[in-house]
Amino acid sequence: NAGVTQTPKFQVLKTGQSMTLQCAQDMNHEYMSWYRQDPGMGLRLIHYSVGAGITDQGEVPNGYNVSRSTTEDFPLRLLSAAPSQTSVYFCASSPNSQGNTEAFFGQGTRLTVV
Amino acid sequence: GESVGLHLPTLSVQEGDNSIINCAYSNSASDYFIWYKQESGKGPQFIIDIRSNMDKRQGQRVTVLLNKTVKHLSLQIAATQPGDSAVYFCAENQSDYKLSFGAGTTVTVRA
Repeated sequence: NAGVTQTPKFQVLKTGQSMTLQCAQDMNHEYMSWYRQDPGMGLRLIHYSVGAGITDQGEVPNGYNVSRSTTEDFPLRLLSAAPSQTSVYFCASSPNSQGNTEAFFGQGTRLTVV
Repeated sequence: GESVGLHLPTLSVQEGDNSIINCAYSNSASDYFIWYKQESGKGPQFIIDIRSNMDKRQGQRVTVLLNKTVKHLSLQIAATQPGDSAVYFCAENQSDYKLSFGAGTTVTVRA
């Protein structure tokens, strides 16, 4: 029972580089989301998706793109990495998009931009 | 703006004692709240949830209390164990299906 799988676990980028953080869930969940976690702060929502083909912006979307071509996958793209994007990124999924059920989180991707 | 927050960033508790972690929220329209536990190097893990039509909910060794009058949420952990050492987050469901997280309380259990 894999749940939510994120890859890679660690990544170092140079400023200006682009990359994609992968997220996959095998629970057939409708709702998926990406958060970033910075020291001393809670998780902040970057982007979310209520189903395949539907995405929307969260609290801190600038510098990130997402797509949801399948129910299982929800990749997060950094277009041109900046040091301010150094953070731990978490992907989460929920059974529905009503917001009244728990979210299941992946193990996180620790990203450092130098 | 409206947000979810925790009263204290750290809590030190003696093993075997009860722990109480507090959270204040300001969005009176929120109807669902969750407590998460995050251990070092891991993603947040669901502990317990409560809906706004309830005042109290109990799980295994944990109890969540919701006081809508003062917009306060608390998590009580009975007989705290070393494995309870972690960061605890409360989260509130905003009206547009987004979870808003507090900054977290780090719980350290003393042997």
